[in-house]
Parts: sequence; structure tokens; C-alpha cells
Amino acid sequence: GAGVSQSPSNKVTEKGKDVELRCDPISGHTALYWYRQRLGQGLEFLIYFQGNSAPDKSGLPSDRFSAERTGESVSTLTIQRTQQEDSAVYLCASSFSMVDQPQHFGDGTRLSIL
Amino acid sequence: QKEVEQNSGPLSVPEGAIASLNCTYSDRVSQSFFWYRQYSGKSPELIMSIYSNGDKEDGRFTAQLNKASQYVSLLIRDSQPSDSATYLCAVINPGTASKLTFGTGTRLQVTL
Repeated sequence: GAGVSQSPSNKVTEKGKDVELRCDPISGHTALYWYRQRLGQGLEFLIYFQGNSAPDKSGLPSDRFSAERTGESVSTLTIQRTQQEDSAVYLCASSFSMVDQPQHFGDGTRLSIL
Repeated sequence: QKEVEQNSGPLSVPEGAIASLNCTYSDRVSQSFFWYRQYSGKSPELIMSIYSNGDKEDGRFTAQLNKASQYVSLLIRDSQPSDSATYLCAVINPGTASKLTFGTGTRLQVTL
């Protein structure tokens, strides 16, 4: 597609439920990134994929968070047993594989935990 | 000390003026620098990337990089009300798998 596509755009769920967020990167971009932005705050790095492997998972806040990527394309970020502090906008970005290439963001998924 | 620092603003400039946005970073080996614009409720949009000392111009935008002083700036000429947004400075450090480290952003208001 023309840009990074994320779904759903909005998700409201009850505390304790699991959620799955999806990201479809720009065609040809082999690097994919997940970030989180809490209300009124900056972006926090969560995880990075190069192809299907995740060399850097350092930003995942807890073992409730996991991500996978298959076929060097779509990635899913899963949050288990959601907590209220997980409420945020989850942003996905992609870039060409070369180091230092600019990252282009999707529109994000706004997650609200009741 | 934060890795990437920006004045949160708001920075208010009149329409047609030059807006100057500044960013400092702490890791001396940082090598790639980006400016993103983020409208309220929207995702960040890439405006400029800069890798070498000096100026880089693209339309009304000029990015300036000074690695010795560890700062990067963004100038917006002929500011328009549509430029009102939060501007995020982001840095990539070697060995960090190309993850972006963001500043908290400067909110720019262009007044009529």
C-alpha cells in the first residue's frame, strides 16, 4: 500500500482482556518498529523487526507485551491481561533496511482500557 | 539528563515570520537526525532528515546540524497557521538498531 496501515484505529476494552494490534508496513520496507505514545507524552520505543526477526525488544514494558512478524510484512503487537496504564496510542513505523533510513508512521491504534 | 531535549513551548510566532525550533542531544556519537511534525490527535509526519553538519533546505524548511555543539534546529520560513503543530526531534544512535529516540516536542502556534 501507499502508507503504513494500522488496525483497528480505535480499541476500547475492559481491564484484563487481551488485545491484538496489527501493522501493515509500506511495501518494500523490511524494517518495522512499534512505539507507544501516552496522552501528552513523547514516543517510547517498544520493539524493532528486521525482516521476521526482532533484534531489539528492549522497550517492551513487561512480559504481557509480545510481538511477531511473519512473511516480512504484517506485524501484530499483543498485550495480554491489559491494565489501565496500557492506555495509549500505539504507533507502527517502517523503513528500508539500511541503517539510518527515515521511518514513516501509520495513523496508530488508540487503545483505551476501562 | 534526557537523551533528546526540546523546549515544550508553546512557541508563538506571527504569520509570515520565521519559527526557530531547537533540539539538543546527549550522545556525542549520534549520527542521524530527524524532524517530525505531529498535529493534535495525529501520527508523526516526517519533515526533514539531516546527517551532516551544516544546513539542509527543503522548501520553507531548513534543518541545521552542529555535531560539535550537539544541537539540531529547524527553521520554518514564512510561517503559516497550518504549521501550528508539535514538532518532534528524533535521533538515531549507532548500535541501537535504528530505533528513534524522541524529544518530547515543541508546540508551535502561528498566529494571524
